Amino acid sequence: GQQLNQSPQSMFIQEGEDVSMNCTSSSIFNTWLWYKQDPGEGPVLLIALYKAGELTSNGRLTAQFGITRKDSFLNISASIPSDVGIYFCAGYHGSSNTGKLIFGQGTTLQVKP
Amino acid sequence: GAGVSQTPSNKVTEKGKYVELRCDPISGHTALYWYRQSLGQGPEFLIYFQGTGAADDSGLPNDRFFAVRPEGSVSTLKIQRTERGDSAVYLCASSLRNSGGSPLHFGNGTRLTVT
Repeated sequence: GQQLNQSPQSMFIQEGEDVSMNCTSSSIFNTWLWYKQDPGEGPVLLIALYKAGELTSNGRLTAQFGITRKDSFLNISASIPSDVGIYFCAGYHGSSNTGKLIFGQGTTLQVKP
Repeated sequence: GAGVSQTPSNKVTEKGKYVELRCDPISGHTALYWYRQSLGQGPEFLIYFQGTGAADDSGLPNDRFFAVRPEGSVSTLKIQRTERGDSAVYLCASSLRNSGGSPLHFGNGTRLTVT
C-alpha cells in the first residue's frame, strides 16, 4: 500500500535546540498534516497544509508543503521538555478524496533538560 | 467541548472471544474513522463512515472485523474470533466533513490485548 517515509526515526536533543524532521512519498499528496502523540493518547493535530509551497507556523512549530507535493517538513524551534513525544506526518493521497489518511512511521523526539 | 470518546480504554480478552469497541465522535462531525496502531508504527486505516454508511472499508484486514454506525453518531468496531495478532491500539477519529482536506480529531484509543 501507499507509504510515507518519515525521518529521522528518532532524535535525542538538548533543550533549546532546533529540530527538523521530514516526510517523503513516491506519489502526490494533496494535503499534509502533522500530528503529535503522547503515551496513552491519540494523535493531536499540530499543523495542516493544503497547498503546494505553503508554509505555516503554529507557535514554535513551522511546517511546509513541498512544491512537488511529495514531501513535507516540520521544524521545532527552541525545543522544551514538553516537546517530547512521537511526531507523525500524514497525508491524503492525490487520487483520493475519502477519509483514508496515510501516516508515516513516526519520529520519536526526546529532549534533555 | 468534548472530544472523541472511546470505551473501554483497555480490553484484555482471550483468543477466540468476541469484542466490541465503542467510539463517540465529536458532536456535529459527520465523518468517523477507525484506525489500528501497532507498537512503534503509525496508525493504519481500517474503515471510514460518512453518516451511517461505510464509505470505505478497504482497510479491514479480514471478515472477522466489522463496524457499524446505525444512527450516524456512535460507532462500534466488532472483532470476532479474536487472534493474538489483533492486539493493538484501536483509534477512532472524527472530522467535520468528508473532504480529503478535513483534519481528523482522534480519541485516546482502546488498547486491545488478546491472550
